[in-house]
Amino acid sequence: EPEVTQTPSHQVTQMGQEVILRCVPISNHLYFYWYRQILGQKVEFLVSFYNNEISEKSEIFDDQFSVERPDGSNFTLKIRSTKLEDSAMYFCASSAQGVQSPLHFGNGTRLTVT
Amino acid sequence: GESVGLHLPTLSVQEGDNSIINCAYSNSASDYFIWYKQESGKGPQFIIDIRSNMDKRQGQRVTVLLNKTVKHLSLQIAATQPGDSAVYFCAENPFSGGYNKLIFGAGTRLAVHP
Repeated sequence: EPEVTQTPSHQVTQMGQEVILRCVPISNHLYFYWYRQILGQKVEFLVSFYNNEISEKSEIFDDQFSVERPDGSNFTLKIRSTKLEDSAMYFCASSAQGVQSPLHFGNGTRLTVT
Repeated sequence: GESVGLHLPTLSVQEGDNSIINCAYSNSASDYFIWYKQESGKGPQFIIDIRSNMDKRQGQRVTVLLNKTVKHLSLQIAATQPGDSAVYFCAENPFSGGYNKLIFGAGTRLAVHP
């Protein structure tokens, strides 16, 4: 069964550094998403992406965050200057028909900011 | 693996019993709902979905019930097995608030005892 893959599985960075989290969505999916989950809390929406542009973003997704689909297979989340409170699990998801069809999630990247 | 949701409500059941996990959603205009299962160290995994024009949908060992009058969703798991132990999230598409995002509920931990 096709799956969403994310790399790295764990990223440790120092406060103020830039990080790029990488995702390979399911190949025939057109809608892409990033969510995050702080330990002990629920899964929070960050951003959705379709047709090479952001379609929705949350209040969390401020100017420090950006997304890109640099080629036909990858989807990335960049945090320009990490803060301690950015420490969380970051999940990438993709779907065939937006949110009228199931989102398929990767296993996440655990980001630790020290 | 990561321990998600240290302070989540927990449902404890005996192996072989039926489980019912409940969820209250917030937006009366939401038109699509999904149940996800999250095991430790993994991303949310799709279980079953239901659209707002239905009140019941069955899958393999799982049934989702939707009561739009009271904005309530439930997941029933028949003959619960140890492999069902996980955190379960309901998610809704808040159509009136935006088309391309799923909003997750707080989650319930299911603990299955032999």
